[in-house]
Amino acid sequence: AQRVTQPEKLLSVFKGAPVELKCNYSYSGSPELFWYVQYSRQRLQLLLRHISRESIKGFTADLNKGETSFHLKKPFAQEEDSAMYYCALRGGWETSGSRLTFGEGTQLTVNP
Amino acid sequence: EPEVTQTPSHQVTQMGQEVILRCVPISNHLYFYWYRQILGQKVEFLVSFYNNEISEKSEIFDDQFSVERPDGSNFTLKIRSTKLEDSAMYFCASSVDGLYGYTFGSGTRLTVV
Repeated sequence: AQRVTQPEKLLSVFKGAPVELKCNYSYSGSPELFWYVQYSRQRLQLLLRHISRESIKGFTADLNKGETSFHLKKPFAQEEDSAMYYCALRGGWETSGSRLTFGEGTQLTVNP
Repeated sequence: EPEVTQTPSHQVTQMGQEVILRCVPISNHLYFYWYRQILGQKVEFLVSFYNNEISEKSEIFDDQFSVERPDGSNFTLKIRSTKLEDSAMYFCASSVDGLYGYTFGSGTRLTVV
């Protein structure tokens, strides 16, 4: 079975402060991890995928297999980062095809 | 940038009625999906569709649900006899190869009364 846990439903920081959105997963094989973002009343958008090792909008996320985590980080939060963030996992093709398993989401609010 | 289009954005239906939610995936994508999100809960996988057939479905996707790609562009989700607990936001998504991240539509909010 595969599971994604985002322990914080709500996270509030001030503009310019560092932010870390936590994501832990449970999966016996080698998963692929994603971060999706949903701005107010808009669609889910892909933010990051771990194998790309990219930085989008200043956000980075590193897959830590030892801790089974994929935390999303940004050193200096901006007000426009306020959104709902979802961590998602795709397991091995043979066991789970291309389905994504989502976490519960974290609502990030960046205050001025 | 290409988009996945869903219609309607909001549908209200009476319990027991049939509803069809419509989606137009991105034209060169080959994998299509339906997810749903009950208010306050996580986004849940319903079904994936490839090569004109269901490739995977979750335990939620029971006999009340069906999907179809009737004309090569639309991708529909039908709920035969809606229940109150079917009230949710339904998201369509498509992917070019099932490996990269999907492109999601903006969702249809289904309210069953």
